[in-house]
Amino acid sequence: KNEVEQSPQNLTAQEGEFITINCSYSVGISALHWLQQHPGGGIVSLFMLSSGKKKHGRLIATINIQEKHSSLHITASHPRDSAVYICAVNPSGGGADGLTFGKGTHLIIQP
Amino acid sequence: KAGVTQTPRYLIKTRGQQVTLSCSPISGHRSVSWYQQTPGQGLQFLFEYFSETQRNKGNFPGRFSGRQFSNSRSEMNVSTLELGDSALYLCASKLAGQETQYFGPGTRLLVL
Repeated sequence: KNEVEQSPQNLTAQEGEFITINCSYSVGISALHWLQQHPGGGIVSLFMLSSGKKKHGRLIATINIQEKHSSLHITASHPRDSAVYICAVNPSGGGADGLTFGKGTHLIIQP
Repeated sequence: KAGVTQTPRYLIKTRGQQVTLSCSPISGHRSVSWYQQTPGQGLQFLFEYFSETQRNKGNFPGRFSGRQFSNSRSEMNVSTLELGDSALYLCASKLAGQETQYFGPGTRLLVL
């Protein structure tokens, strides 16, 4: 079982829809990251969370430390949001093996 | 500030050869991490360097190695290449004490 699980794996939606991507993890963490990867490979860090909620434009990320769960929401989705969204965690405890990644969610927003 | 740069962007090698990839972090960033991305395994952590010292290492064989120079630039080397080493290799840099990483565009390696 992966330490970081994402759902759904694939998501196709219409422009304007509200999008939710979920991430569950099984280890203690010091931080959780949401990353965006466009075709061609470049990765952009969207959020880094250790508690609560963060908002940037149309993107909202939440984390529930007790339930070991995070969600990424996109409001008023647009075709340019089409990308792979990856959840990653920094395992806690010091000397951790870098980021541990989920398999990603392939999001397609159709016009 | 310039972003993280990686060279080369694309590379084709044959089995048994070795390869060296380079990463220049954002100015002032002393931590550099390397990741491998394949369709089957997704993103996996290779190693992290900070101030020329390897701080963490992922679960990869000894054929994968790296180093960091005094200007924080980092290189990773893969010896005796195997077909399964075909992947996108990404590096990321961050400021000391911070968690947010900034990724480079990656080097796409194809092993034939």
